[in-house]
Amino acid sequence: EIVLTQSPGTLSLSPGERATLSCRASESFSSYFLAWYQQKPGQAPRLLISGASGRAIGIPDRFSGSGSGTDFTLTISRLEPEDFAVYYCQQYADSPYTFGQGTKLEIQ
Amino acid sequence: EVQLVESGGGLVQPGGSLRLSCAASGFTFGEYAFTWVRQAPGKGLECVSAVSYNGLSTDYANSVKDRFTIYRDNSNNTLYLQMGSLRSEDTATYYCARGISVSYRGPFDYWGQGTVVTVSS
Repeated sequence: EIVLTQSPGTLSLSPGERATLSCRASESFSSYFLAWYQQKPGQAPRLLISGASGRAIGIPDRFSGSGSGTDFTLTISRLEPEDFAVYYCQQYADSPYTFGQGTKLEIQ
Repeated sequence: EVQLVESGGGLVQPGGSLRLSCAASGFTFGEYAFTWVRQAPGKGLECVSAVSYNGLSTDYANSVKDRFTIYRDNSNNTLYLQMGSLRSEDTATYYCARGISVSYRGPFDYWGQGTVVTVSS
């Protein structure tokens, strides 16, 4: 099973700042099989990025993904108030298709 | 508009059974794979079970294998999860999530609002 480890666990930033979230895998896989989701309290997750860098429909361009092999990054260029949430990475290279434990992005 | 609406959650005793449903609308149901994803209170996300577009291929997490069964009715645009031998660790919000293609490999582009399953005596 591929284990995804996200860091940091909690990230405290202010609106307008840049956020960099990390997702590290226990083994290498194609970046084609990496996704990022955003989840707000009481809501279902929302797909942000698939294929490591492709934005889903309706996702603002301040969200970007990058990475390869075992190291992947989600960057939010300029934080908006609505961006404060929990973010999960997911691999769908090998079953079981696992998620990271999440990074909570909170307002400083 | 794509909509996924789960139902069937509730309180059940350990060892009991429950069937979850996910009613889909706004797209051609039979062209997409689906996955049930659960989230225990205050915890992260776990893929529980997946089914291909035609129902012929399924996958299960080890934690639910031989206890849960996923199936779909493409004529009624509904996904199901039959849950048996329930344990306290199955307590979670269960989401129905649509894959981006016919295969259940892939990210999930639409999610339902979730249905809560509580296993307790």
